[in-house]
Amino acid sequence: QVQLVQSGAEVKKPGASVKVSCKASGYTFTSYGISWVRQAPGQGLEWMGWISAYNGNTNYAQKLQGRVTMTTDTSTSTAYMELRSLRSDDTAVYYCARASSTVVTADFDYWGQGTLVTVSS
Amino acid sequence: SYVLTQPPSVSVAPGQTARITCGGNNIGSKSVHWYQQKPGQAPVLVVYDDSDRPSGIPERFSGSNSGNTATLTISRVEAGDEADYYCQVWDSSSDWVFGGGTKLTVL
Repeated sequence: QVQLVQSGAEVKKPGASVKVSCKASGYTFTSYGISWVRQAPGQGLEWMGWISAYNGNTNYAQKLQGRVTMTTDTSTSTAYMELRSLRSDDTAVYYCARASSTVVTADFDYWGQGTLVTVSS
Repeated sequence: SYVLTQPPSVSVAPGQTARITCGGNNIGSKSVHWYQQKPGQAPVLVVYDDSDRPSGIPERFSGSNSGNTATLTISRVEAGDEADYYCQVWDSSSDWVFGGGTKLTVL
């Protein structure tokens, strides 16, 4: 069965960076894309960006351009999301989600369990 | 930027039908996806491409999309359907957009 297992919770100081991992199993990793979505406490869902596991192409949300980098390691079927220059309003649960095909416009058919990132001095 | 508008809350008695709307400019020309999120859990895709259901999602969940409004309909509502529901579309100018979410309460 398809599973996305994310790394554990993180606590970071303002200005630091965080890197969250998302290990996929149960499907051919390079045949799909991965989107990252975050959810601030008590708030809605916010799309952060997408990466093709096939060729590494990325598409980032405009508001995060320059602060976010998404990568994949096909040898371990793992996707990574790094967010830099953290601010208090980056405090959120971060989810990876499989795009149901190789294109950025595909819906998100499986989700990871989420990773809480807390930014606090 | 493209905006999706959902009612903050919808309440329905068990066994009745819940309708959750998602408004957007000419949303009928886009593919709409719907996610269910229960407290402390990751979202789950319940309807994709306006009206298709992933495997494992009950037939009680259905969707429609026309004009400026998309609708998620949940028939014969059960207590276990209580959750937040989000609509989502891809817009060429705004990338992926989510609605603000609707809290479904089963009375």
